[in-house]
Amino acid sequence: EPEVTQTPSHQVTQMGQEVILRCVPISNHLYFYWYRQILGQKVEFLVSFYNNEISEKSEIFDDQFSVERPDGSNFTLKIRSTKLEDSAMYFCASTRQGNTEAFFGQGTRLTVV
Amino acid sequence: GESVGLHLPTLSVQEGDNSIINCAYSNSASDYFIWYKQESGKGPQFIIDIRSNMDKRQGQRVTVLLNKTVKHLSLQIAATQPGDSAVYFCAEILFQGAQKLVFGQGTRLTINP
Repeated sequence: EPEVTQTPSHQVTQMGQEVILRCVPISNHLYFYWYRQILGQKVEFLVSFYNNEISEKSEIFDDQFSVERPDGSNFTLKIRSTKLEDSAMYFCASTRQGNTEAFFGQGTRLTVV
Repeated sequence: GESVGLHLPTLSVQEGDNSIINCAYSNSASDYFIWYKQESGKGPQFIIDIRSNMDKRQGQRVTVLLNKTVKHLSLQIAATQPGDSAVYFCAEILFQGAQKLVFGQGTRLTINP
């Protein structure tokens, strides 16, 4: 069964450093998402991506964040100048167009120290 | 502001009993309402959806009810099993323009043996 894969599973970084979280969405999906989940809290929408551009972003997704689809398979989230409060699980998801079933990866646990 | 929220953060039921998880929403323009299940250490997983013009939809052991008058969504799980223990999120999606999937707060369901 196809699945969304994320790497790394856990990333520890120094405050102020840049991190890149990687995702491989399901190959025939057209919409890609990044979500953030602080421990014990809700799954927060960050950004959606379609047709090689951002289609919508939340107020969380400020200039510190960027997304890229550098090739036909990878979808990345870059966080610049990380802060302690960026520590969270980051989930990538993908869907077909017009479909409610988003497939989520296992997440990357980001710890900023 | 927050469009989708839940009434109760935790719920405990006896194995074999039925459970009902509730959710309130505020965006009447959403096209679909969806329930996701998140097990510990995993990404959310799609359970069932309901189109905004429907009142009820049944799946395997699950039923979703939509009351548009009071903007209320519920998930009923019949004959609960230990594997049903998880956090359940309601979510909504709007297909106009950007396809954005937004999650509510989440309810932790614990099945007691």
